[in-house]
Amino acid sequence: SAVISQKPSRDICQRGTSLTIQCQVDSQVTMMFWYRQQPGQSLTLIATANQGSEATYESGFVIDKFPISRPNLTFSTLTVSNMSPEDSSIYLCSAKVGDTQYFGPGTRLTVL
Amino acid sequence: GENVEQHPSTLSVQEGDSAVIKCTYSDSASNYFPWYKQELGKGPQLIIDIRSNVGEKKDQRIAVTLNKTAKHFSLHITETQPEDSAVYFCAASMVGAGGTSYGKLTFGQGTILTVHP
Repeated sequence: SAVISQKPSRDICQRGTSLTIQCQVDSQVTMMFWYRQQPGQSLTLIATANQGSEATYESGFVIDKFPISRPNLTFSTLTVSNMSPEDSSIYLCSAKVGDTQYFGPGTRLTVL
Repeated sequence: GENVEQHPSTLSVQEGDSAVIKCTYSDSASNYFPWYKQELGKGPQLIIDIRSNVGEKKDQRIAVTLNKTAKHFSLHITETQPEDSAVYFCAASMVGAGGTSYGKLTFGQGTILTVHP
């Protein structure tokens, strides 16, 4: 299994600013992901965080808006850039161990 | 790509009753189907999963059934308790033999389960 922690757990930000979310896994994992969950909605995959190389983004998400780093097998960051109120959402880090995918507690972001 | 439909969107039961949530998927290549429970303010937690080489799997009060031909799978919760109240998500992906994972999880829309004492 994997235990995933995220920082911050929540934040309130001003329009036009950026926020970096950190994700730490308690064991080495091969695959890490970032998801967005808008209020009352399902989970949408933003990107797969690749160790030592550029993340793989899903349709509708771009690196300039959501830059991702993954310097090693246990840590990743997601930045939400130039934020607008539409970016208010829960951002979830996820890691895969074998076939099983685990999720962090999420970061609740509110943009004013 | 894969598309997962989940029903119902809300489900209200009395404590002790059974609850059933159903999902259908579109990609016949999908072979791994996990279910997640998400409580308010928390991340999704895996509660049970099933591979396509198995038709049913049980874990205490929770069971999942899979019909590959019809491409649908269901979550069954028996003897429901108020602490079962949460949002439940089904998902589908492809995994390889020997544990190699190459598929992305595609989630259903979620079911809000409320268990009344």
